[in-house]
Amino acid sequence: DAKTTQPTSMDCAEGRAANLPCNHSTISGNEYVYWYRQIHSQGPQYIIHGLKNNETNEMASLIITEDRKSSTLILPHATLRDTAVYYCIVRENNNDMRFGAGTRLTVKP
Amino acid sequence: EAGVAQSPRYKIIEKRQSVAFWCNPISGHATLYWYQQILGQGPKLLIQFQNNGVVDDSQLPKDRFSAERLKGVDSTLKIQPAKLEDSAVYLCASSLEQGEAFFGQGTRLTVV
Repeated sequence: DAKTTQPTSMDCAEGRAANLPCNHSTISGNEYVYWYRQIHSQGPQYIIHGLKNNETNEMASLIITEDRKSSTLILPHATLRDTAVYYCIVRENNNDMRFGAGTRLTVKP
Repeated sequence: EAGVAQSPRYKIIEKRQSVAFWCNPISGHATLYWYQQILGQGPKLLIQFQNNGVVDDSQLPKDRFSAERLKGVDSTLKIQPAKLEDSAVYLCASSLEQGEAFFGQGTRLTVV
């Protein structure tokens, strides 16, 4: 019952930018877009979140379309350690956080 | 800052036995989540606490699963009796009133 749609898997060459898309066409005005990733055998790790404006931190950039119906997570220079499952989640401030199946990103040498 | 602590890391039990998992959230985090993650799937929310009150337990199988968060800090998740399909990783996460959630390493449960 996740509110987002993501591709099942993607590949990226090491050192290149990884662009992970997410569709959230039913997002409401109060809902944020959150991104997490999960490396094998670990708990999910927070990456970034945003409401309307594009956001950037030391890990990634988040580009949200003007209508807020989709977003893209950008890892500017992917490394082998970025191989993981990436989850896009929409949620209000402190409401429940429901994960979909995510995108399995494989960074190849 | 210490992260979310979970124990045990691994547990193997026979079906129909009982098991309990423990979670110590990050100090000061009012919100606590329990998730079940079956191999190959995304985490499924079981229950969300705000301090010691339940915010959402709509996906918790209440006939066999129970959770409590006494004093609004530590939390335990119990399964009684366990079924084979309960084999999964059980993740605990915590957050402030707003913002990102931080996850523990999880407890891997195998029911045989």
